[in-house]
Amino acid sequence: DTAVSQTPKYLVTQMGNDKSIKCEQNLGHDTMYWYKQDSKKFLKIMFSYNNKELIINETVPNRFSPKSPDKAHLNLHINSLELGDSAVYFCASSQDGGANVLTFGAGSRLTVL
Amino acid sequence: AQSVAQPEDQVNVAEGNPLTVKCTYSVSGNPYLFWYVQYPNRGLQFLLKYITGDNLVKGSYGFEAEFNKSQTSFHLKKPSALVSDSALYFCAVRDQGFKTIFGAGTRLFVKA
Repeated sequence: DTAVSQTPKYLVTQMGNDKSIKCEQNLGHDTMYWYKQDSKKFLKIMFSYNNKELIINETVPNRFSPKSPDKAHLNLHINSLELGDSAVYFCASSQDGGANVLTFGAGSRLTVL
Repeated sequence: AQSVAQPEDQVNVAEGNPLTVKCTYSVSGNPYLFWYVQYPNRGLQFLLKYITGDNLVKGSYGFEAEFNKSQTSFHLKKPSALVSDSALYFCAVRDQGFKTIFGAGTRLFVKA
């Protein structure tokens, strides 16, 4: 069983479109995250939810909107896609607490043409 | 603000030789430090962490890391490198809350 699963794995779309990426974890973790990895492999945190409550909201354009219907799911919706949104988006989860390990999904590669 | 620096973009070692991947950090309070590894087209995988206690931390696949408070470093080491260790390695620091900050990554290339 995959611990953190993301869909779709690959997404190719045109500028201006709206798209969503879904994430689910079956680890029973309380906290979920979205990270963006750019073409230089730099990882930046975007959002985090703890038990469906938004707790981290970094400097991200408001075209990006996370949604957590329950603590096992965290989706990412992106409106009006731009070329610069092309990246790999990683979902991750962890238990509460500062020392807990992140478990990552395999990533969703978004290409905006 | 907390931060992590990985001064080397790439580290090249011969198989069988020891390897070191460097990391320095800046954080207020006690640091929680981590190393993760990323293989091509995969998500990050946890290797090891330091919370408190012994400065030498042992992790997966024979890796270990040494916490040095005076030098604010947390270098990743392995006594004998394998070709299969070739990957992208990330150092990370986490504060008392929920935010984990990653370094820029170091690509390890192990030559047979």
